[in-house]
Amino acid sequence: AQSVTQLGSHVSVSEGALVLLRCNYSSSVPPYLFWYVQYPNQGLQLLLKYTSAATLVKGINGFEAEFKKSETSFHLTKPSAHMSDAAEYFCAVTPSYNTDKLIFGTGTRLQVFP
Amino acid sequence: DAGVIQSPRHEVTEMGQEVTLRCKPISGHDYLFWYRQTMMRGLELLIYFNNNVPIDDSGMPEDRFSAKMPNASFSTLKIQPSEPRDSAVYFCASTTGVGNYGYTFGSGTRLTVV
Repeated sequence: AQSVTQLGSHVSVSEGALVLLRCNYSSSVPPYLFWYVQYPNQGLQLLLKYTSAATLVKGINGFEAEFKKSETSFHLTKPSAHMSDAAEYFCAVTPSYNTDKLIFGTGTRLQVFP
Repeated sequence: DAGVIQSPRHEVTEMGQEVTLRCKPISGHDYLFWYRQTMMRGLELLIYFNNNVPIDDSGMPEDRFSAKMPNASFSTLKIQPSEPRDSAVYFCASTTGVGNYGYTFGSGTRLTVV
């Protein structure tokens, strides 16, 4: 069954440094891939989504993700971390074209140090 | 648009009591999802509805859990009787279709069963 794996449950960066959060999907190219962000005591917010229209996807708050079929990856990046980026980030996948459910990864907690 | 509205935000109850969580989806969204988030298991899809009809309830943990959607603007998740292991944050989300823009999540209900 389709799933996503997020490598690294915790990532720490300095303010201004590159942010790289890793996500790999399990098998065939999924219909849709997403990145969500969750701030403390809040629900999840959509950062960006991949729908096969373009391999490089730009999202909100300066984040972007690149779909790489050869690596079965959809890593999230941001060139320069800001203190306000500290949150938990989830990668999610739609298992097939005939469902609207999302399967989430286990999440990566991003810490940003001054 | 007020977004997806969940109530209550926090619920503390004693083991054995009935608990009802409520969700109002975004108007016009015909899909509604219930997720549970715990440290140990991450985000788990419990059940989802399309046009008020349950489509997939394979994630409902056991018969103590039930969900209804009597109309397009309201859904409930009920646990009867509640147990300490049900303690978690329960999220409701809605969408017009996952390929459009993913889901919009509510702020969640933090349930504590003592």
